[in-house]
Amino acid sequence: DAGVTQSPTHLIKTRGQQVTLRCSPKSGHDTVSWYQQALGQGPQFIFQYYEEEERQRGNFPDRFSGHQFPNYSSELNVNALLLGDSALYLCASSLGLAGINTGELFFGEGSRLTVL
Amino acid sequence: GQNIDQPTEMTATEGAIVQINCTYQTSGFNGLFWYQQHAGEAPTFLSYNVLDGLEEKGRFSSFLSRSKGYSYLLLKELQMKDSASYLCAVSSNQAGTALIFGKGTTLSVSS
Repeated sequence: DAGVTQSPTHLIKTRGQQVTLRCSPKSGHDTVSWYQQALGQGPQFIFQYYEEEERQRGNFPDRFSGHQFPNYSSELNVNALLLGDSALYLCASSLGLAGINTGELFFGEGSRLTVL
Repeated sequence: GQNIDQPTEMTATEGAIVQINCTYQTSGFNGLFWYQQHAGEAPTFLSYNVLDGLEEKGRFSSFLSRSKGYSYLLLKELQMKDSASYLCAVSSNQAGTALIFGKGTTLSVSS
């Protein structure tokens, strides 16, 4: 049973560049949430996708955008990178929007982004 | 607003018992999660409490008191591999389908 997979695992960008991170949810899950985790902090919610639509968004600027594909996989795009965007980006999957209310929220290994 | 507090760091020795506390303030509480996160790795699900009381799962137990906005994670028979960050997270109507995480408690287990 495949868990949540993310790519790439590590990447380095420079300020002003754009980045795309990818996520495949756990088998049987159809909802993907993205979180940003800065060093020494807990994860912060960016947004959530279900049925190929953004269903909820956290307090992140429009430079952060995403997409969900028919196979439930998802992408996170960040434009005009800033130094402060350096973080671990985590993808979490669940079954349905209320999936987390049953305790079913599983994280991938994350993509560590460094912005120079 | 919403707020989750947990201690920043804790230390313990192998074989001991440690309790990591978490207090939260939110409206429309739906449940509380504990995750374990080793350095440089993804959070791993440990427990989920939605009703008051103690949930036991092997060496780990989690307790919830909704009236007090309080939870704790109890780790027994500590092992070196338990050295990690422990994240408390809350699900609530206020946050919709997002989880709100605390900053995590870094536990160091020594021999």
